[in-house]
Parts: sequence; structure tokens; C-alpha cells
Amino acid sequence: AQSVTQLDSHVSVSEGTPVLLRCNYSSSYSPSLFWYVQHPNKGLQLLLKYTSAATLVKGINGFEAEFKKSETSFHLTKPSAHMSDAAEYFCVVSDQPGGTSYGKLTFGQGTILTVHP
Amino acid sequence: DGGITQSPKYLFRKEGQNVTLSCEQNLNHDAMYWYRQDPGQGLRLIYYSQIVNDFQKGDIAEGYSVSREKKESFPLTVTSAQKNPTAFYLCASRGAQNNYGYTFGSGTRLTVV
Repeated sequence: AQSVTQLDSHVSVSEGTPVLLRCNYSSSYSPSLFWYVQHPNKGLQLLLKYTSAATLVKGINGFEAEFKKSETSFHLTKPSAHMSDAAEYFCVVSDQPGGTSYGKLTFGQGTILTVHP
Repeated sequence: DGGITQSPKYLFRKEGQNVTLSCEQNLNHDAMYWYRQDPGQGLRLIYYSQIVNDFQKGDIAEGYSVSREKKESFPLTVTSAQKNPTAFYLCASRGAQNNYGYTFGSGTRLTVV
């Protein structure tokens, strides 16, 4: 069984300040973990993914996430927020290790990021 | 460019009617998925298909049906048995062509009036 918990339903930051979106997971396997971003009434766009290679994963738009097995966490960070980062973010775990087959995704509940000028 | 196309973008349905949401992909992906999104609940899996002419129920399949007659197409029918169909529906596909990453469509917002 697998599950994902996003610890904050809403995060609000000022433009130019750091962003931290928190995610904890549980999985029976060595998990594949993803962060997706969704702008209003749009599909999901992949920000980054972890599939058992380097524990610090760099993604698009300056985002990165660190896989910490001891803490079962996969928090998403960005050093400096931009207005265009305002969106909803989903932490996701796959039930197949390594992402090499067609396993199901389990989504967190989502974190809405608001960026103030 | 390859991608997933969902249509229509917005759909209104009267209570008691069935409605079919379209999902087409030209990525040559084997696997396709339907998710339902409700505020504060993330995405929940309705049905998925790993190969043509085969599909499996996800976590919330009741009141929905699918078919997979072609690799490119995975339509979802929301039947009158679905008690609360108003939601945002997302289709996704996955294949070896992009290292098994998921590609999502832009979604269909269904409203029951």
C-alpha cells in the first residue's frame, strides 16, 4: 500500500522569497516520487521526478526536491518565488519501483501556492 | 507535436443522462488513465488500461464505464448511476517512449445541471 500526505493545503509567500512545499509518503517499495504543478483549469505538468538515482532532484523552473528515506519525505523547494509560480502542486507516488512499468499513481491532496507581489 | 487531447473542455449534463468524455493520444503510449479531481482531494483513479481491449477499475469506478478499442483512444462514460458527477476529469497516458513518464491532458470540467 502507498500513500502521500501534503502537510499544507495552502502556502503563501512573497515574490522573491523561498518556497517550501512539504510532502511525506509511505510505500511498500522503493518508491518513484513526482511533483506536478497545475494551473487553473489546466492539466498537470511534471516538475520533477525521483526514481532511485540522486536524492537531490532538480526540475524545471528552478524547483528542486530532496528524497530523504529516513524521514519518508520529498519536500519541494525553490530559492526565490515568482508570480508565475502561483498554482496548485501535487506530490505523487508510484506503486512500481523505478517507474519502469505501468503502475498506478497515488496523489496527495494538493497544496495551493499563492505568491504576493 | 505529440500529446493528449481531451474534449470538450467544458460539458454540461442534465441529471439522469449519460455523457461520454473523449481522450485521444498520438504518443503511441500503451497505458491510459482516467482521474477525477475534486477540490482538496487530489486526483483519484477511475479506470486505467495497460493494453488495447483490456482495462481495470481504479479506486472510484462505480458509475463510470470505459472502452479501449484503439490504442489512441480511451473514452470515459459518466453514467446516470454516478451520484455526484460534477468534477474535473483528467486523462493521462504513459509509455516507454518518454521513459514511462505520465502525460496529462488539459481536462474536461463536467457540470450536472
